[in-house]
Amino acid sequence: DAKTTQPPSMDCAEGRAANLPCNHSTISGNEYVYWYRQIHSQGPQYIIHGLKNNETNEMASLIITEDRKSSTLILPHATLRDTAVYYCIVRVEGYSTLTFGKGTMLLVSP
Amino acid sequence: DGGITQSPKYLFRKEGQNVTLSCEQNLNHDAMYWYRQDPGQGLRLIYYSQIVNDFQKGDIAEGYSVSREKKESFPLTVTSAQKNPTAFYLCASSADREQPQHFGDGTRLSIL
Repeated sequence: DAKTTQPPSMDCAEGRAANLPCNHSTISGNEYVYWYRQIHSQGPQYIIHGLKNNETNEMASLIITEDRKSSTLILPHATLRDTAVYYCIVRVEGYSTLTFGKGTMLLVSP
Repeated sequence: DGGITQSPKYLFRKEGQNVTLSCEQNLNHDAMYWYRQDPGQGLRLIYYSQIVNDFQKGDIAEGYSVSREKKESFPLTVTSAQKNPTAFYLCASSADREQPQHFGDGTRLSIL
């Protein structure tokens, strides 16, 4: 199964865009990239997912490189409530479950 | 409101005791999952169920058991065979195996 690599922590100023990178160089052709976030002591929250095209929803945008070896989650206008651990996950082919790594701790400051 | 309800929020277990964590969903989802999270770590899969009366072991099933008698319910029992049960337990569900999983707010289990 494909693995992901994320920086352990990032900082962002409130109101600015937060760009969270993820490397998944061994991703297979039909594996999706998923993003979740977890605020302390709560369950993870689904954000967005994509296969090869860029995706946008009310929470964020997902940019996937043409070779699919990396992606970036963009929170366009970060708020203090966006402070959380962000997980980039690649769904294993033919297997329905998610494998969570340690993620990126995003700290949004005033 | 549709969602996933886990109870209790906090649970304490005595040595040698079995405890059962509840997970109920009213989203009409077919698939349900149990994960364990230890401090500073990601989530690890314990068990999952794609359909009623069927479930599969995940990566760390030893010392745990589950049942799926109803579509909306997927209780997890932490048995006395689980030697290090202190953790944050998360239940999730999805419409089917291809759809995103949605999580409850977890149960924190501690040993007395």
